[in-house]
Amino acid sequence: EVQLLESGGGLVQPGGSLRLSCAASGFTFSSYAMSWVRQAPGRGLEWVSGISAGGSSTYYAEDSVKGRFTISRDNSKSTLYLQMNSLRAEDTAIYYCAKVTGSPHYWGQGTLVTVSS
Amino acid sequence: EIVMTQSPATLSVSPGERATLSCRASQSVSSNLAWYQQKPGQAPRLLIYGASARATGIPARFSGSGSGTEFTLTISSLQSEDFAVYYCQQYNNWPLTFGGGTKVEIK
Repeated sequence: EVQLLESGGGLVQPGGSLRLSCAASGFTFSSYAMSWVRQAPGRGLEWVSGISAGGSSTYYAEDSVKGRFTISRDNSKSTLYLQMNSLRAEDTAIYYCAKVTGSPHYWGQGTLVTVSS
Repeated sequence: EIVMTQSPATLSVSPGERATLSCRASQSVSSNLAWYQQKPGQAPRLLIYGASARATGIPARFSGSGSGTEFTLTISSLQSEDFAVYYCQQYNNWPLTFGGGTKVEIK
């Protein structure tokens, strides 16, 4: 059974940092590109960042997170990461770890990040 | 960036009726298009990938069609459990992008 288990969310003050993790199992993690997708309260889905299978190429949503967020992966641990710095109130959302390229697609259950003073 | 535009924003349909949802891409995404269903408090659920292939366990009343820039999700006979928000997503190019969603509500 495929599982993507996110962790690391929580309450953080504006300007603060958080590191999200996603532990993958049930598929060959090292063979696939992975992404982080977020959903602000009452809003639609927003792709945030992606990384190639080997980790050599990374991609970001230009206007919203580039320069503040860093995606990485450790294929030996089947784990995906998102380092989030300089957090803003508008970064408040559920963050999903997802395989949303190729087929099939897999999603985790998400972890809530709240940016508030 | 490829912009995905979904229409309509809200679709009011009676149970048992057919629902047709549209998704348009600002440039060709070939057949690299997925459809998701999302209910409140839940993660998105994959319905369709490759524009027309049903994901595992998805009922046959859900079908996808199209290629290039124009795509359609059809629900042939709406069941009570189908009232939800539906999103399209292109995975042909980075950055990946989602449509704004179509809410299917009970008429």
